[in-house]
Amino acid sequence: DQQVKQNSPSLSVQEGRISILNCDYTNSMFDYFLWYKKYPAEGPTFLISISSIKDKNEDGRFTVFLNKSAKHLSLHIVPSQPGDSAVYFCAASASGNEKLTFGTGTRLTIIP
Amino acid sequence: DVKVTQSSRYLVKRTGEKVFLECVQDMDHENMFWYRQDPGLGLRLIYFSYDVKMKEKGDIPEGYSVSREKKERFSLILESASTNQTSMYLCASRQGAWGYGYTFGSGTRLTVV
Repeated sequence: DQQVKQNSPSLSVQEGRISILNCDYTNSMFDYFLWYKKYPAEGPTFLISISSIKDKNEDGRFTVFLNKSAKHLSLHIVPSQPGDSAVYFCAASASGNEKLTFGTGTRLTIIP
Repeated sequence: DVKVTQSSRYLVKRTGEKVFLECVQDMDHENMFWYRQDPGLGLRLIYFSYDVKMKEKGDIPEGYSVSREKKERFSLILESASTNQTSMYLCASRQGAWGYGYTFGSGTRLTVV
């Protein structure tokens, strides 16, 4: 039972345009959400997070939006750069639970 | 910077062998985790530990065990390796506040033949 879903396995975006990566979750107990970025042959690195008391969090070119009623979050990258080409995982956790539940990942390719 | 080091980048083992995957973190983190990454399945939690000698099963513990004798070291053990355990294994350590999530090692690509 996949509690965190990323329905797009891959996405291609022109350099300079906006990249939008989507993530849906089913567990209503989740109240903290994170995005990770992974290059080949490296471990995932933390990108940005959001708690359920917010609906938006920004960090430079990266913005995460949370829609609790739809159980949906998205990561916006603008402007997209070639170095953003990677696999992106969203992850979620519930308060008091040490575990992170990850999605299946979306491979983002930025086209120069 | 916090570093999480996994001892091997690539391993090839035979079916039935006992396999040890080692992970060491150089900060004083209490929580450590083992995940495996498979295409189309994302990262799935095998085991985690929130203190020395403490361990908790994750979502897919079958066929695995763990050991945490020292705070900085968390070992994953495949008791009798099977071909369906061929995967990328990722160790992680958690910083204090959730805002920074986990720090992952570079991964061990294990092939069981």
